This record gives sequence, structure tokens and C-alpha cells, in this order.
Amino acid sequence: AQSVTQPDIHITVSEGASLELRCNYSYGATPYLFWYVQSPGQGLQLLLKYFSGDTLVQGIKGFEAEFKRSQSSFNLRKPSVHWSDAAEYFCAPHFGNEKLTFGTGTRLTIIP
Amino acid sequence: EPEVTQTPSHQVTQMGQEVILRCVPISNHLYFYWYRQILGQKVEFLVSFYNNEISEKSEIFDDQFSVERPDGSNFTLKIRSTKLEDSAMYFCASSAQDTQYFGPGTRLTVL
Repeated sequence: AQSVTQPDIHITVSEGASLELRCNYSYGATPYLFWYVQSPGQGLQLLLKYFSGDTLVQGIKGFEAEFKRSQSSFNLRKPSVHWSDAAEYFCAPHFGNEKLTFGTGTRLTIIP
Repeated sequence: EPEVTQTPSHQVTQMGQEVILRCVPISNHLYFYWYRQILGQKVEFLVSFYNNEISEKSEIFDDQFSVERPDGSNFTLKIRSTKLEDSAMYFCASSAQDTQYFGPGTRLTVL
């Protein structure tokens, strides 16, 4: 069965520290891969996406993600977090125009 | 930059009442979706819509739910007889080039 796993439910990092959020997927073929961010009380904003090609993709707000086929992973990273990055982050694989299947999300807390 | 819009932002209704949630997708998009997020839970797919018909629906999308594109711009989700468990945030999305863009959501509270 197709599935996506975000192993970390909640992560706390200090402002200015680096960040890595994990995402693993289990699909028969390599899906398109997306990261969305949801700030408190807000909608879902697209951070970045991977379709093919260069395995390191850049997104908005200084985020990047690396696709690793051998590990079926698409981890999200940021070198230095800002207090405004506190939010819920969702990994979501899908194929073409089919439904997105969201992971359970990782809640990011930033401490001063 | 074009955005998906949703109205109302918050809807309060009595159990058993009908509600219609409205969405205006991005104008040149052809695929439309509804998702919902119960408080504290993950985002769940409800239904996808293409070429004026449902292309896929989840188990959640039972006979109480319906979708419609009544004109060239709106995309609506109707819940015929709301239940307490329908209380959630409902997100509309539209898609182009295999990428879905979400609206800000409608918070539905069923009392």
C-alpha cells in the first residue's frame, strides 16, 4: 500500500540553528514529492516540489529538500531557522493530478 | 500572483443543517479538490473533480457530500445534513502542471 511517513511529530530547535525534517515514502514507483507548510490558523503553502532531475531542490523561505531514491526519502532542510518558521510541515507525495496523500506532519517549535 | 479563495472563512451551523462551502480556483486550472483537516489531525482527501465530474472520492465522501462547478469560476462543496463529526477545516485546491495550490480554508463548526 502507498504510504508516507514523517517520523518526527514535534521538533524544537533554537533560532539560528539548522533544521532537518524527515519524510519517507513507500510507493511502487517514484512519486512527485512536495512539502507544504501550515502556519497556525492558516492554509497550506507550497514550499517546494520534486518531479525529476536534480535531486536537491530549492524552495521558498530558504528551504531545500533532497530526494534520495535509495532511501525513499525526501527530507526538508534549512541552514538557519527563524522564529517565523514555527509551523506544521507536511510531506505529500502524489502522481500527476491525483490526490495528495499527506503525512501526519511535523510541528516545528522555535526557541529564542 | 493568482490565489485560490474560499468563503466563508468560518461557518457555524446546527447539526442537521445543510451547508455550502465555496471556492474560487485559480482561473486557468482544470483540476479541483476538497480536503479536510479535523483539529489536531492530518489533512485528508475528500474528492477530486475534473471535466465537470468527480474523478476520485474517498470513503469520507459519502452521500451527504456533493460537489458542483455551477459556473466557470466557482467550485462548491455541499454537506446536506451536517453531523458533529463534520466539524473541521475544509480546504479547496486547484491544480496545474501537477502542482496543487490551496486556499486558506473554511472552518466549519457544527453545534
